[in-house]
Amino acid sequence: DVKVTQSSRYLVKRTGEKVFLECVQDMDHENMFWYRQDPGLGLRLIYFSYDVKMKEKGDIPEGYSVSREKKERFSLILESASTNQTSMYLCASSLPLGQARQFFGPGTRLTVL
Amino acid sequence: DQQVKQNSPSLSVQEGRISILNCDYTNSMFDYFLWYKKYPAEGPTFLISISSIKDKNEDGRFTVFLNKSAKHLSLHIVPSQPGDSAVYFCAASGGIQGAQKLVFGQGTRLTINP
Repeated sequence: DVKVTQSSRYLVKRTGEKVFLECVQDMDHENMFWYRQDPGLGLRLIYFSYDVKMKEKGDIPEGYSVSREKKERFSLILESASTNQTSMYLCASSLPLGQARQFFGPGTRLTVL
Repeated sequence: DQQVKQNSPSLSVQEGRISILNCDYTNSMFDYFLWYKKYPAEGPTFLISISSIKDKNEDGRFTVFLNKSAKHLSLHIVPSQPGDSAVYFCAASGGIQGAQKLVFGQGTRLTINP
């Protein structure tokens, strides 16, 4: 079974801090994704990576950046955290195929004070 | 614009009865649809999927129906069990630009009452 792990389950940061969220998958998937989940809005795609060092903006990339130096690891960076980035962050991975399901990590609940 | 919509934020069903969760989409390029289930403080887990070449897919208590002309899909759970209480997301993918990306609906919170 695919395992996707995220570095923290809960994180509390202050406004203006730089925040790193790490995601690791063990199934050699080419695709990795970062989403945020907010009540009433579902899951919204922040960034997508289809290979090492490759990235593509999702629907809501503003205020975020990503890094993919190794195939198994995909990092989400909040350059200067703001209170409106308080959310549940979910990482996922998949094979590079159409009609491929995505496998999700447990999520990181980030609170920005 | 919301390409995938779940218009019911919540649904309450008696244990043993049928739960029907609905999802509408607007993008005619979508050709693959999935349902995910999410418990609090956990990541979504895949439940069932359907390709646009089919109109029904069944897996145990779960059946997904696809009506392409209406751009509508539904998830049926029969019989509903207390462990089915969760948030359900429908998702869609398709088209050259979006074949590997999923677009999610807002989610429906299902509560199964004993």
